[in-house]
Amino acid sequence: NAGVTQTPKFQVLKTGQSMTLQCAQDMNHEYMSWYRQDPGMGLRLIHYSVGAGITDQGEVPNGYNVSRSTTEDFPLRLLSAAPSQTSVYFCASSYSRKFGSYNSPLHFGNGTRLTVT
Amino acid sequence: AQSVAQPEDQVNVAEGNPLTVKCTYSVSGNPYLFWYVQYPNRGLQFLLKYITGDNLVKGSYGFEAEFNKSQTSFHLKKPSALVSDSALYFCAVRGGYSTLTFGKGTMLLVSP
Repeated sequence: NAGVTQTPKFQVLKTGQSMTLQCAQDMNHEYMSWYRQDPGMGLRLIHYSVGAGITDQGEVPNGYNVSRSTTEDFPLRLLSAAPSQTSVYFCASSYSRKFGSYNSPLHFGNGTRLTVT
Repeated sequence: AQSVAQPEDQVNVAEGNPLTVKCTYSVSGNPYLFWYVQYPNRGLQFLLKYITGDNLVKGSYGFEAEFNKSQTSFHLKKPSALVSDSALYFCAVRGGYSTLTFGKGTMLLVSP
């Protein structure tokens, strides 16, 4: 059982370049989300999805796009990278959008470390 | 809007001693509270949660947390710390229907 898989593990971009961070889960989870982790800032929610075809914005959505065409995949797109997007990105999924109600904590991937120069 | 405060950036404790990592929260309605741990170069791992019921919640690796509604706190505790407990700990609260809000994290360092 692979859980939540993120690719790539590391990426360096130049300002203005675009890229897609991949996230896949094999647990048939309904809920998927993207967080960024910055020193002293904790984790901040970028976008989330409560099912295929349904996405919504989190706390810091600007500069990022998402889509959810399948239950398994939830890619995060940076259309024009900026140095402020240098961060570690985590994808997380849960069986249910209700989290604790169904004993369904978030399961995290191991992260993508992105540097924008 | 919901929020979580972890007032200590770092907690130092000697192996074998009890440890406490503090967390306070603010949320409208009933609180759904969580603790996660992050080891270097890894994603977060779920430790325990409080949804309802007993104020003392037991979780993985011998950790427990005490919910105090009047003080709006959810402190993480362990009776006897291990060096291997050294990691970054995050408290989180369920905010909107589909979101979790995390604190800034507390680094726990357990010395031999």
